[in-house]
Amino acid sequence: NAGVTQTPKFRVLKTGQSMTLLCAQDMNHEYMYWYRQDPGMGLRLIHYSVGEGTTAKGEVPDGYNVSRLKKQNFLLGLESAAPSQTSVYFCASSSTSGSGDTQYFGPGTRLTVL
Amino acid sequence: GENVEQHPSTLSVQEGDSAVIKCTYSDSASNYFPWYKQELGKGPQLIIDIRSNVGEKKDQRIAVTLNKTAKHFSLHITETQPEDSAVYFCAASDNQAGTALIFGKGTTLSVSS
Repeated sequence: NAGVTQTPKFRVLKTGQSMTLLCAQDMNHEYMYWYRQDPGMGLRLIHYSVGEGTTAKGEVPDGYNVSRLKKQNFLLGLESAAPSQTSVYFCASSSTSGSGDTQYFGPGTRLTVL
Repeated sequence: GENVEQHPSTLSVQEGDSAVIKCTYSDSASNYFPWYKQELGKGPQLIIDIRSNVGEKKDQRIAVTLNKTAKHFSLHITETQPEDSAVYFCAASDNQAGTALIFGKGTTLSVSS
């Protein structure tokens, strides 16, 4: 049981490049989330999903897109990366609403945009 | 929407001392308050949580208290050990978003031996 895994662990992009971050969970959780963590800012919700085929915007969604084609996977895309998107990205999942159930976090992806 | 303030941002204690981290929230409708511990290079991990129908919860050396009237909740760690050194985050449910947690900005706890 691997829990929540994220791919890749590290990535360096140039401004304007695109990439996709992959999150996978093997706990059969319905809810999945993408957060970004910046120094002194805590964790901020980018997008979330309440089930396969659904997505919704969080606190800081601009510049990101997501997809949840399979229940176990949640993809975060950057179409045209900007230096402001340099951050550590965390994926999380929970069996029911995150506002009432434990969110399990992945190990994170450190992204640098030059 | 919900707003969570966390203090202090850094906390240094001697091994064996107690540590207290405090958070305030703005939305009186919030009903779930978890605390997460993040070790260097890892993702946050839940250490304890409390719901709005409970005033206090303990788990060995860790306890959380909730004051709904004042809209604040606190994490108490007793008999601190070097392995307690980490960043701690409080969070509150964001009922407007339905499923989200709003996190505080974190407290870096350093326990020296």
